[in-house]
Amino acid sequence: GNSVTQMEGPVTLSEEAFLTINCTYTATGYPSLFWYVQYPGEGLQLLLKATKADDKGSNKGFEATYRKETTSFHLEKGSVQVSDSAVYFCALSDKIEDDKIIFGKGTRLHILP
Amino acid sequence: KAGVTQTPRYLIKTRGQQVTLSCSPISGHRSVSWYQQTPGQGLQFLFEYFSETQRNKGNFPGRFSGRQFSNSRSEMNVSTLELGDSALYLCASSPIDRGYETEAFFGQGTRLTVV
Repeated sequence: GNSVTQMEGPVTLSEEAFLTINCTYTATGYPSLFWYVQYPGEGLQLLLKATKADDKGSNKGFEATYRKETTSFHLEKGSVQVSDSAVYFCALSDKIEDDKIIFGKGTRLHILP
Repeated sequence: KAGVTQTPRYLIKTRGQQVTLSCSPISGHRSVSWYQQTPGQGLQFLFEYFSETQRNKGNFPGRFSGRQFSNSRSEMNVSTLELGDSALYLCASSPIDRGYETEAFFGQGTRLTVV
């Protein structure tokens, strides 16, 4: 079945550092890929998405490119802020798996001022 | 537009009891999914309902059940609670005919503690 693997956390960075959170996936079909963010005490919010190969999703300074050849969807941000501290989930949804959204285990990000 | 509303926000139950959680989706959304979030297992898919019919089901025991009403509101029920059922239960809704390209919109969750 489909699966998502993302880097273990926590990840601790200083403010203005460059961020990469790795995400790779396994899928039988041609999935859509998502990054969700969960702030403390909140549910998940969509951060960005990409629905086909080579698409780049972007939002709030975060970017991720759908790489079919490496089955990856790494999240990047050029300069992180304290307010970016949260848990980030990589996810996929695939028509062959009846559109279920499959999540990675999440990566906790701490940004130090 | 109001977001996804889950009630109650917090619950404490005793082993062996049963519990019912409620989810009101965004107006106009007809797909509702439920997830269990724990520190060890992450986010695990429970089930999805669309137009009052269960469309998908995850790998959970039969103690976990759900339903959806004609107004798209959904409930999930857990019977014979176990300590391991302690988790954050998240509900997500999606537009009228969620395809694989469409994101889900999440509520804040219900934190269930079983003692």
